[in-house]
Amino acid sequence: DTGVSQNPRHKITKRGQNVTFRCDPISEHNRLYWYRQTLGQGPEFLTYFQNEAQLEKSRLLSDRFSAERPKGSFSTLEIQRTEQGDSAMYLCASSPGGSNQPQHFGDGTRLSIL
Amino acid sequence: AQKITQTQPGMFVQEKEAVTLDCTYDTSDPSYGLFWYKQPSSGEMIFLIYQGSYDQQNATEGRYSLNFQKARKSANLVISASQLGDSAMYFCAMREGGGGATNKLIFGTGTLLAVQP
Repeated sequence: DTGVSQNPRHKITKRGQNVTFRCDPISEHNRLYWYRQTLGQGPEFLTYFQNEAQLEKSRLLSDRFSAERPKGSFSTLEIQRTEQGDSAMYLCASSPGGSNQPQHFGDGTRLSIL
Repeated sequence: AQKITQTQPGMFVQEKEAVTLDCTYDTSDPSYGLFWYKQPSSGEMIFLIYQGSYDQQNATEGRYSLNFQKARKSANLVISASQLGDSAMYFCAMREGGGGATNKLIFGTGTLLAVQP
């Protein structure tokens, strides 16, 4: 169990640029989640994959955001035309099937928009 | 609407003492799960303990136990014998629905715990 891996750890970019983050879940986990966490708040759900299928998206996920999990393994989260309000920690989590299984989180990618 | 409330923004506890972190929740779903996570200053979210809505007994994991009072909709985390390394932000989270649900977590705003020597 190597844990959930996220890259990069930090990303600084100018407003209006596109950014892409990667998440590698724990290998036997078929469920993958993206959350966003702003300062002083708990994480907020963005989207969920079961294998390669994106089964739920939050209303927080505007049309500038897109997430993929092409082969049911790693996932990418892309933000187009970044805005100041996108500055946050983006957390990825994975879990096996089963409603009582905890989600295991990566260390996150901290995005700063200049 | 489903909601998690953590009313203690910050808490102090002396090393080796026990501390209780409060969590109340609101849901109309009879099937749900409650989780506690620890987030140190380094940022990673560490799973601590889980309680299912149908579990008859309070969950325990080492020094962590969950005081689950279903009628009051509370799921307080008890940390016994606090250690300096317990200093961190603690989040209570709820998952609604059974096996067919998304299993997304709804988090509270967290409690910052500081353990004093």
